[in-house]
Amino acid sequence: GQNIDQPTEMTATEGAIVQINCTYQTSGFNGLFWYQQHAGEAPTFLSYNVLDGLEEKGRFSSFLSRSKGYSYLLLKELQMKDSASYLCAVMEEGNNRLAFGKGNQVVVIP
Amino acid sequence: NAGVTQTPKFQVLKTGQSMTLQCAQDMNHEYMSWYRQDPGMGLRLIHYSVGAGITDQGEVPNGYNVSRSTTEDFPLRLLSAAPSQTSVYFCASSYSWSGRGYEQYFGPGTRLTVT
Repeated sequence: GQNIDQPTEMTATEGAIVQINCTYQTSGFNGLFWYQQHAGEAPTFLSYNVLDGLEEKGRFSSFLSRSKGYSYLLLKELQMKDSASYLCAVMEEGNNRLAFGKGNQVVVIP
Repeated sequence: NAGVTQTPKFQVLKTGQSMTLQCAQDMNHEYMSWYRQDPGMGLRLIHYSVGAGITDQGEVPNGYNVSRSTTEDFPLRLLSAAPSQTSVYFCASSYSWSGRGYEQYFGPGTRLTVT
């Protein structure tokens, strides 16, 4: 099975950069997803990593290190609309399931 | 495309009642799943299906049944509602169950309260 750990909450200022970490333990790794979830809404896809390294998509980047069981999501030029929960989800090899972390709440202040 | 739709949006049940949460997708996705989300617990997989006629249990299947008679629909049945089933339920679908194709498209959720 998987064990996925994310810090619970962080506050950052508009325009700043914030890094959200995710560590995981799994018997076989087959990809990692990041989702954004605004309060009262459904999660929406942000990024997918299966190989080591950085994937950049506009203001959002996601990094993966498979040997360390570690990923981070980097949010640049923070905007008020980025206030949301960010969920890390790991796909285990040979298993048709995603295991989600508890999410990290980011609060953006002016 | 409507994407993934769920009905109802809100529901209040009494303990012991049964009901069906509806989920439909119009993206011709093979993979569909049901999650529940509770405060401090994250999303937990209840049941999933890799295609019409095929279903399997997730992490927390007890008290729930599913069926997949068509590619589009994946209803979740609560057999005898209990207060512990008070939660927000999300249905999701994806193009496939591997790699990048496993990106989940979520429905808007059903907020269920069991009294």
